Amino acid sequence: AQSVTQPDIHITVSEGASLELRCNYSYGATPYLFWYVQSPGQGLQLLLKYFSGDTLVQGIKGFEAEFKRSQSSFNLRKPSVHWSDAAEYFCAVGLSGNTGKLIFGQGTTLQVKP
Amino acid sequence: EPEVTQTPSHQVTQMGQEVILRCVPISNHLYFYWYRQILGQKVEFLVSFYNNEISEKSEIFDDQFSVERPDGSNFTLKIRSTKLEDSAMYFCASSADVNTEAFFGQGTRLTVV
Repeated sequence: AQSVTQPDIHITVSEGASLELRCNYSYGATPYLFWYVQSPGQGLQLLLKYFSGDTLVQGIKGFEAEFKRSQSSFNLRKPSVHWSDAAEYFCAVGLSGNTGKLIFGQGTTLQVKP
Repeated sequence: EPEVTQTPSHQVTQMGQEVILRCVPISNHLYFYWYRQILGQKVEFLVSFYNNEISEKSEIFDDQFSVERPDGSNFTLKIRSTKLEDSAMYFCASSADVNTEAFFGQGTRLTVV
């Protein structure tokens, strides 16, 4: 069965430090890949997506993610974290030719220290 | 910027009561979804809806659940007889195509007491 794993439940980084959030998926073919962010009391906002082509994708708020087929990974990165980045981050997989269903990882809560 | 809107933002209901959660998807989108997130858990797919019918549903989406697009703009999720374990945040989402990104609403927090 398809699955998405975010190994880190909580991460704390200092403001200005770099960030990498990990995401691994299990699926036979190349899926569509997404990162969503959820601030407290808010809905899910799309940060970036990968469908095909360049494996390094740029998103909003200075985030980027790299698809590595050999590792079945789609890690999210940001070179310098801002206090406003504190939120919960979800990796999600969409299956091509499917009904649009997304499978989400467990989420990673990011705390930013001043 | 177009957005998905959900009402109400928070609903409290007694066990056994029926609830209807409402969503207005983005106007030119054709695919509609409901997800739920039990507190502290991952976001789970409930159902996808296209061309006025369910295209896929999860095992969570049993006979107590139904969806409807009553008037071409709203998309509703009905829970016929709520249970305590239905307490969760329910997210509506829509997409233009099945292979494009989904846009999510702010969610409705359902509390069953």
